[in-house]
Formats: sequence, structure tokens, C-alpha cells
Amino acid sequence: DGGITQSPKYLFRKEGQNVTLSCEQNLNHDAMYWYRQDPGQGLRLIYYSQIVNDFQKGDIAEGYSVSREKKESFPLTVTSAQKNPTAFYLCASSIDHRSGANVLTFGAGSRLTVL
Amino acid sequence: GQNIDQPTEMTATEGAIVQINCTYQTSGFNGLFWYQQHAGEAPTFLSYNVLDGLEEKGRFSSFLSRSKGYSYLLLKELQMKDSASYLCAVRRDSGGYNKLIFGAGTRLAVHP
Repeated sequence: DGGITQSPKYLFRKEGQNVTLSCEQNLNHDAMYWYRQDPGQGLRLIYYSQIVNDFQKGDIAEGYSVSREKKESFPLTVTSAQKNPTAFYLCASSIDHRSGANVLTFGAGSRLTVL
Repeated sequence: GQNIDQPTEMTATEGAIVQINCTYQTSGFNGLFWYQQHAGEAPTFLSYNVLDGLEEKGRFSSFLSRSKGYSYLLLKELQMKDSASYLCAVRRDSGGYNKLIFGAGTRLAVHP
């Protein structure tokens, strides 16, 4: 079955540590995205990638970094520079960012808690 | 600026009909989406409107009025499993890139 796999599902981090969230898709989608979801707020875009070896900052990129070395993979690193990292992180992909309805397919999410 | 407003919470009875409204203000409007999200799970796609009017898909329908910056999601014959958050998202053309802006979501509770 095609889909998006995020890992880990739950992650605890001490202040000052970097942590990397994994996102893998086997949908052959060109575009991939990372969103952050906080209670009472809409999903906010952290980074997006339209194609391999290319990515752009979203609305709240500070304190985060990404890479897109393979079409299937778009890992997100939450660095110690991110002041309020506790949140639910969602990875998504779409065929591309231009065509038609451009429906996003989401992963099941990773919940990060900073202790 | 850009703004998406939808009610925070709604309740409804099993078997009834519920309408979840979404109003938006944005430049470069290029389509509106509705997603369903059960607690702690991934959002799943429900509907897409780019032209004015009603799109019907089984028990779910979505309406769009671009001149009014308004959409609604209509859920008929409510079932307990419809208890979830419903996310309204507007697609905006931003310098050749289609950016998706999400509302905060409406938590729907369906009770017997």
C-alpha cells in the first residue's frame, strides 16, 4: 500500500538537544511538506520541497532544518534554536505543487515533547 | 493579509445534519479544501472546491462562494464516527507556488 510513514510517533527531548523526525513516502510524489500543529491553531507550514535537492522555508522555519536528498525522504531536524518545539508534527506529500486539486496526503504525525 | 475563520466546536445528534462554516480573506485564491482529522491522526482529504457551487460526495457536500469568501461543509446522516475535527484550507497562488493555509479546525462531537 502506498503512503507516508513518519517516525517516531512519540519523542521526548531534553532542552538543548537536536532531534530529527523521519518522513518517507512511496507515492512517487514530487512535493513534500512539514507542518506543525498546536492546539487552537491551524496547521502551519515549516518547510516544503517541490523536487529532490530543493527546498524552501515556510512560514515558521526558524529553528528547523530539512534535507531532500532522495525523492522518497524529507527528514526534519528540530534544533535547539527552536524556542517552543513541543508540538504535533505532520509530514505531507502531493503529486506536485501546481497541478489541479493538489491534494495533500498526510502521515500519521510525530508528537514531540520537550522536557 | 490572510485569515480563515471557522467555529471552534460544534455538537450534533446521530442521524442529523450539520453545517460547518468557513470564511476566508486572501489574495490569489486558488481553491478551498476540507480535511477530516480524528484526534492524534493524520488529516484526510474530504472535498475540493475551486468554482462557485455545491460539490456532493456521498454523505458529505461542500459549497463555495468566492465573492463572499465563504464555504461550508454539510454532513448528512451523522454517524458517531464523524466525531472529528474538520479543517478548512485555502490554496493561495503565491509567486507561482500554491500555498495551502489552514484554519484552526472545528471539533465536531456527535452524540447518540
